[in-house]
Amino acid sequence: DTAVSQTPKYLVTQMGNDKSIKCEQNLGHDTMYWYKQDSKKFLKIMFSYNNKELIINETVPNRFSPKSPDKAHLNLHINSLELGDSAVYFCASSQDRALSYEQYFGPGTRLTVT
Amino acid sequence: GEDVEQSLFLSVREGDSSVINCTYTDSSSTYLYWYKQEPGAGLQLLTYIFSNMDMKQDQRLTVLLNKKDKHLSLRIADTQTGDSAIYFCAELNNAGNMLTFGGGTRLMVKP
Repeated sequence: DTAVSQTPKYLVTQMGNDKSIKCEQNLGHDTMYWYKQDSKKFLKIMFSYNNKELIINETVPNRFSPKSPDKAHLNLHINSLELGDSAVYFCASSQDRALSYEQYFGPGTRLTVT
Repeated sequence: GEDVEQSLFLSVREGDSSVINCTYTDSSSTYLYWYKQEPGAGLQLLTYIFSNMDMKQDQRLTVLLNKKDKHLSLRIADTQTGDSAIYFCAELNNAGNMLTFGGGTRLMVKP
């Protein structure tokens, strides 16, 4: 049983395209996150949703738009992809909105923009 | 902004102890964490320590926190090949609204 799943695992696309990454958690958690891991492996939080409500929105270009149809899903849509968007994107979930709670991570989606 | 630094790479022999180090800049951190990332998988929480503690032991894992030097370490006793992974430290700020990860230390365990 996969607790936090992401699709696709790999995504290669050209500059200017629009793409989406999907995330689902079956842990019954209220809070979900998107992180970006850069080439130096640093992990930066992008967004956090609690019960479908946006609670954290770090300095991320408007081209990135998260969508939470229900509390088990948090999808990431990226418009007009740029070379600098190439990274591994991790979805995570936690029981509560407080960041002190343990976060459960998905396996990551490696996005390559050419 | 806050900063968390780790060395990139550590290689040990099976059965030896591994010590992974981390330094951070936020003196008001509340929680500090160690996460493990195995190949092709997401991060998994290994252990954490509250900022008013100096040490925490959990089976083969020992976490040491030196608040004065803002230094966190993870010691793995009797390191096994299955411990090979990337280890990330992370710190939660005082307001509880920012979790900052280091860049990860790749641990390689040689048989």
